[in-house]
Amino acid sequence: QQQVKQSPQSLIVQKGGISIINCAYENTAFDYFPWYQQFPGKGPALLIAIRPDVSEKKEGRFTISFNKSAKQFSLHIMDSQPGDSATYFCAASIFSQGAQKLVFGQGTRLTINP
Amino acid sequence: DAGVIQSPRHEVTEMGQEVTLRCKPISGHDYLFWYRQTMMRGLELLIYFNNNVPIDDSGMPEDRFSAKMPNASFSTLKIQPSEPRDSAVYFCASRGWQSYEQYFGPGTRLTVT
Repeated sequence: QQQVKQSPQSLIVQKGGISIINCAYENTAFDYFPWYQQFPGKGPALLIAIRPDVSEKKEGRFTISFNKSAKQFSLHIMDSQPGDSATYFCAASIFSQGAQKLVFGQGTRLTINP
Repeated sequence: DAGVIQSPRHEVTEMGQEVTLRCKPISGHDYLFWYRQTMMRGLELLIYFNNNVPIDDSGMPEDRFSAKMPNASFSTLKIQPSEPRDSAVYFCASRGWQSYEQYFGPGTRLTVT
């Protein structure tokens, strides 16, 4: 019940195209949904996040779409650039034993071809 | 602020040896998390601390793993004895009391031969 399922595992997109990564969850107690970006040899870094009372959040070329009834959320990267090539993790936050903790999806390796 | 600092960045050791990974969280952050990242299992939460006190260690794989936080600016993750299946990248992360955002360190790549 505390799993977050992410797809696809890997994705190749042409420069200028739209990259879409999807995540699904079961536990309705999750109350915060961030996306993290990780470059090789680095730790994950927060990219964008959304709360379940909002259906969409946009920051520059990055947009989260959130469907509460379907328990799904997705990351859209518009006008994808080679510099966006990285591994992306969705996550969900849950209050457990007195603190918020994150449950991560398995990750998507995104490659943007020039 | 320098961000979360981890050392060493790379560790190669032989099976059976003791391994100690170190983490310095961002100053003022109340929570510290230890994660393990592998291709097979992704990013797994091992243990987290609040104000230096371990809150949830349910992710620690077995008794060979232990973690301590003797003060607000230092934490260790120890594996004794180490095994080849412990090979992974270990991340430390910290966050402030009223924030959801976790800040990750650069990780320690552990190889056990």
